[in-house]
Amino acid sequence: AAGVIQSPRHLIKEKRETATLKCYPIPRHDTVYWYQQGPGQDPQFLISFYEKMQSDKGSIPDRFSAQQFSDYHSELNMSSLELGDSALYFCASSLVKRDFYNEQFFGPGTRLTVL
Amino acid sequence: AQTVTQSQPEMSVQEAETVTLSCTYDTSESDYYLFWYKQPPSRQMILVIRQEAYKQQNATENRFSVNFQKAAKSFSLKISDSQLGDAAMYFCAYDGNAGNMLTFGGGTRLMVKP
Repeated sequence: AAGVIQSPRHLIKEKRETATLKCYPIPRHDTVYWYQQGPGQDPQFLISFYEKMQSDKGSIPDRFSAQQFSDYHSELNMSSLELGDSALYFCASSLVKRDFYNEQFFGPGTRLTVL
Repeated sequence: AQTVTQSQPEMSVQEAETVTLSCTYDTSESDYYLFWYKQPPSRQMILVIRQEAYKQQNATENRFSVNFQKAAKSFSLKISDSQLGDAAMYFCAYDGNAGNMLTFGGGTRLMVKP
């Protein structure tokens, strides 16, 4: 079965540079979530989109922005990168089904290293 | 805001034995979902088991079962017949009705000794 695809899998950037992470949800899934997992930490929810509209917002810095496109893929744009942005960034997707729990399926993550 | 607490940073179990990982949470909601996720060295997040708060019956998935105590806000994971492949970081997670976003605990690293 098709899974969530994230690209790139690894990314190295310098401080103050920008980075764009991409997420391709499972086919027919309409919701995308972004999580950030710092070294030795638990994943923290950043933001989510449903049908191309932002649905929930968590602890996402103002330097970050994200969007979901018409084909449901999502991009997380990160500007003015800081050392503390080094983390594993997970994307998850789900399909909203009325009266059912919308289980999130996680991608393999993008490891961002800021030097 | 909801919080999830895992009080055991590390646990160790002998192969074929049983181990229980603890999780407590704090919420004012009455309907919610609780999860255990496994994160092996590959860092992939794998759903192990899910519990709906409105269900009194504890969820089970093969060798994995939970002890859900709603009044105590406790949600422990029992792994029976532990296998070497069970070695991983385990995260307890909460999802309430306010939004479909997961709140994770700090994780418990499980080591399995042969």
